[in-house]
Amino acid sequence: EAGVAQSPRYKIIEKRQSVAFWCNPISGHATLYWYQQILGQGPKLLIQFQNNGVVDDSQLPKDRFSAERLKGVDSTLKIQPAKLEDSAVYLCASSLERGQETQYFGPGTRLLVL
Amino acid sequence: DQQVKQNSPSLSVQEGRISILNCDYTNSMFDYFLWYKKYPAEGPTFLISISSIKDKNEDGRFTVFLNKSAKHLSLHIVPSQPGDSAVYFCAASDWAQKLVFGQGTRLTINP
Repeated sequence: EAGVAQSPRYKIIEKRQSVAFWCNPISGHATLYWYQQILGQGPKLLIQFQNNGVVDDSQLPKDRFSAERLKGVDSTLKIQPAKLEDSAVYLCASSLERGQETQYFGPGTRLLVL
Repeated sequence: DQQVKQNSPSLSVQEGRISILNCDYTNSMFDYFLWYKKYPAEGPTFLISISSIKDKNEDGRFTVFLNKSAKHLSLHIVPSQPGDSAVYFCAASDWAQKLVFGQGTRLTINP
């Protein structure tokens, strides 16, 4: 079974530029999550989708971050404009359903904002 | 407001001995707890979980203990192997099923 795919793996941009990350979850997984992991900290949930609907985006900085999951499969996370403090690893995860199902993580995208 | 805390940033253990990783939480509404393992340049991988109705769960060399009154859980690895060297994250969820992660503990197994 293929795992969660993410691209790009690495990205370097200057502040105020925009950037987008892509995630392809495990086939058949209805729930998709985006996490931000700052160096030295644990992953922090940014947004959770159930199929193509948003379940929780309470910790998403909506003035600069946006995410979508069209057709309930792939998802993109965008930052516009980026700030220095956005430098982090952005992790995508998926699970079969909501609830206390195991979340499977992708390898992440490491973002450096200069 | 750090609801899940792993107070030891790093831990070094001799191969073959027991590794004990600790985690404390503050939110009494958490009812499901997980441990994830992370290697460099990879995403976290699920290791083991425990529901609040239990106080112990075993899976091979890995055992998780939950002390609800102390709001404390621990992961025991015995015997420790070099391949166990990784960062371990404790996570917790409540009825909303949102995972809250600790800061992680870097475990190094020395040969």
